[in-house]
Amino acid sequence: SQTIHQWPATLVQPVGSPLSLECTVEGTSNPNLYWYRQAAGRGLQLLFYSVGIGQISSEVPQNLSASRPQDRQFILSSKKLLLSDSGFYLCAWSPGAGNTIYFGEGSWLTVV
Amino acid sequence: KQEVTQIPAALSVPEGENLVLNCSFTDSAIYNLQWFRQDPGKGLTSLLLIQSSQREQTSGRLNASLDKSSGRSTLYIAASQPGDSATYLCAVRTGSSASKIIFGSGTRLSIRP
Repeated sequence: SQTIHQWPATLVQPVGSPLSLECTVEGTSNPNLYWYRQAAGRGLQLLFYSVGIGQISSEVPQNLSASRPQDRQFILSSKKLLLSDSGFYLCAWSPGAGNTIYFGEGSWLTVV
Repeated sequence: KQEVTQIPAALSVPEGENLVLNCSFTDSAIYNLQWFRQDPGKGLTSLLLIQSSQREQTSGRLNASLDKSSGRSTLYIAASQPGDSATYLCAVRTGSSASKIIFGSGTRLSIRP
């Protein structure tokens, strides 16, 4: 069966520090991968999605970036965090068009 | 640009009532629409997936409908229970490669015992 792992679960980082959130999917190949952010009491904002290795689509211009170094690995990064980057970050994967999407457990980021 | 809206933002009803949550989207060119449940501080759990060619899907006490031409979907919950309390989100799959999934802001549902 397929599983998705996302870490770290909780992170407290000072303003201006770098960020790296990692997500891996097991049990499938060539998945569509996604990063979403959810601010407190808000819906999910699509940040990045990827349909293949090295293929990244950015939805929201900001100081975050994403990379897909391997087929089932998706990394969310920042060189310098802002206070407004605080939130709940969710990684997700989908087998492809027409299929459902599956979410990781999320990562809580607090920028102080 | 596809935008997804959910109304109401919050809803509180007594246990046992039937209720309807609404989702609307601006671009009818979608591949599917999905309803999710999110418990506080947790990830999302898929409830129902409706393909663009379908009109409705049912699972237990849940029934989701889709009217693609008018850009609307509803989630009907029958005989609500306190355990149904959660945030409900709808999402549409869109984009030229059908890879983009856009979420609404959610409806926070509270069922009073």
